[in-house]
Amino acid sequence: GENVEQHPSTLSVQEGDSAVIKCTYSDSASNYFPWYKQELGKGPQLIIDIRSNVGEKKDQRIAVTLNKTAKHFSLHITETQPEDSAVYFCAASEGVTSGTYKYIFGTGTRLKVLA
Amino acid sequence: DAGITQSPRYKITETGRQVTLMCHQTWSHSYMFWYRQDLGHGLRLIYYSAAADITDKGEVPDGYVVSRSKTENFPLTLESATRSQTSVYFCASSEGGWNTGELFFGEGSRLTVL
Repeated sequence: GENVEQHPSTLSVQEGDSAVIKCTYSDSASNYFPWYKQELGKGPQLIIDIRSNVGEKKDQRIAVTLNKTAKHFSLHITETQPEDSAVYFCAASEGVTSGTYKYIFGTGTRLKVLA
Repeated sequence: DAGITQSPRYKITETGRQVTLMCHQTWSHSYMFWYRQDLGHGLRLIYYSAAADITDKGEVPDGYVVSRSKTENFPLTLESATRSQTSVYFCASSEGGWNTGELFFGEGSRLTVL
């Protein structure tokens, strides 16, 4: 089955700097890769996603890149702000199930943005 | 208010007791999921449901039971709680289909088994 590895587990950056979180996956059949942000005491929320037919996607200060050959994808946050401090999870779709995606999540990255 | 709600938010129980975590969504989403979150493991799928009366196992189903008699509710039951089931449990829902895979998560239920 699918296996997703995520690094680093913790990341501290100065406000205004960039942050990069990396994930690798094992199943070449995976075709959908979302990123979720989890703030303290809350459930995760989708912040950006990418499909396997696209190499890069941007949404304001966040971007995701996908390298299908190497089976890795990354989250890039530019001009970090204190409100970016949270736990970030990558995920990869696992196989095909009846009617929708099922995911394997990475183990999470705790991002701290230092003022 | 529309959304997905979990109850209770916090629960302490003892080994061997039965515990039920409730999940209710108001969007009429077809799909509902239960995940557990543990340090070092991220989010792991316990069970999911594609519609009322249709459920299937995820990665870590042992020790858990689910039911879905109504589209909006998806309770998770621990029939005989063990300490290894101490965790934060998240319910999620999605529209299903392939246009969007977005999961909408509840705020979580923190369960401690003594």
